[in-house]
Amino acid sequence: NAGVTQTPKFRILKIGQSMTLQCTQDMNHNYMYWYRQDPGMGLKLIYYSVGAGITDKGEVPNGYNVSRSTTEDFPLRLELAAPSQTSVYFCASRQTGAVYGYTFGSGTRLTVV
Amino acid sequence: GENVEQHPSTLSVQEGDSAVIKCTYSDSASNYFPWYKQELGKRPQLIIDIRSNVGEKKDQRIAVTLNKTAKHFSLHITETQPEDSAVYFCAAPQSGGGADGLTFGKGTHLIIQP
Repeated sequence: NAGVTQTPKFRILKIGQSMTLQCTQDMNHNYMYWYRQDPGMGLKLIYYSVGAGITDKGEVPNGYNVSRSTTEDFPLRLELAAPSQTSVYFCASRQTGAVYGYTFGSGTRLTVV
Repeated sequence: GENVEQHPSTLSVQEGDSAVIKCTYSDSASNYFPWYKQELGKRPQLIIDIRSNVGEKKDQRIAVTLNKTAKHFSLHITETQPEDSAVYFCAAPQSGGGADGLTFGKGTHLIIQP
């Protein structure tokens, strides 16, 4: 099992550009999450999904969009990138049922200039 | 939604001493409390967790205690070693069963002095 795979690992965007952060898991987890981590801070939830076709907003969804067409994939879309979106982005997944700890991807470090 | 406060933000201890990190939460319905360790430039990794039906859980040198009445939980690391140096995060479910994600504390930078 590869676990949770995120691509790319690093990216520099210009203000106003768009991009998609990819996240794939091979553990058949229904629950998937996108978090952002700003320097010296904890993780803040952007969007989450409890299954294919179902997505919902987290604490900081503005400027982002997600889709969940399959159980495995949960891409995060940035439209019109802004410097405030400079951050490290982590995708995570977990099993349904009882509350289990997350499995995190290795992260995408995004800089908007 | 849940609110999680974590203290201290930085903790420096001598190698071999114990370290304690504390978190408080606001939602009395929260039932699951994980702790994550994040080394520099790496992903957070779950090191221990506790459910609301127990008061303490141990795994070798680390332990977590939970006080549901006071709504706080703590991470205890004994006989600290250099490899324990990292940022530690506590978390609690955003709501109830936690399907809608975890709320994280702001983290504690643990420094182990040789």
